[in-house]
Amino acid sequence: DAGVIQSPRHEVTEMGQEVTLRCKPISGHNSLFWYRQTMMRGLELLIYFNNNVPIDDSGMPEDRFSAKMPNASFSTLKIQPSEPRDSAVYFCASNSRWGGSGYGYTFGSGTRLTVV
Amino acid sequence: KNEVEQSPQNLTAQEGEFITINCSYSVGISALHWLQQHPGGGIVSLFMLSSGKKKHGRLIATINIQEKHSSLHITASHPRDSAVYICAVGFGNQFYFGTGTSLTVIP
Repeated sequence: DAGVIQSPRHEVTEMGQEVTLRCKPISGHNSLFWYRQTMMRGLELLIYFNNNVPIDDSGMPEDRFSAKMPNASFSTLKIQPSEPRDSAVYFCASNSRWGGSGYGYTFGSGTRLTVV
Repeated sequence: KNEVEQSPQNLTAQEGEFITINCSYSVGISALHWLQQHPGGGIVSLFMLSSGKKKHGRLIATINIQEKHSSLHITASHPRDSAVYICAVGFGNQFYFGTGTSLTVIP
């Protein structure tokens, strides 16, 4: 099993540019989560999907952020336009059972985003 | 006030010591998670528990629902255990994360 695969591992972009982060969950997992980690705010849940459907996006900081999951094997997190304060590590995680009753999460390696 | 409080924030131990990291939360939960983040940044889910106790190798996690408290224990600590340990709780559509405990195990 290749685990949760995120790409790119590192992204440096200029302020105002569009950024797209990608995630491939573990095959068979039906829940997918996007997290952001910064020194100031720690780890924050941005949005999660269950069976490809967004369940709660209340963690998404503002309208510049959007996430999609067109199928069970792929999700994107897009920032348009990007700003320096979006610089963070973005993690994707998948889980085989929503609700957390006994199953653990598998995290991707993260995408380190730097907006200059 | 943070919904999830961890202690200590930083911990240095000698190799072989027994280590305890504590997590207290103020909200009702459906599950509590212990995560490990390595110096390279990768995150590993160690445990997900909603009651009782779980053990995996040298790691033990316990939770007391009535007291809203969980502990992560590491027996016979090793330098490779050096990492940040994060407690997270979930309830319904909400997830709350602790700020993490940075553990350094000295040979």
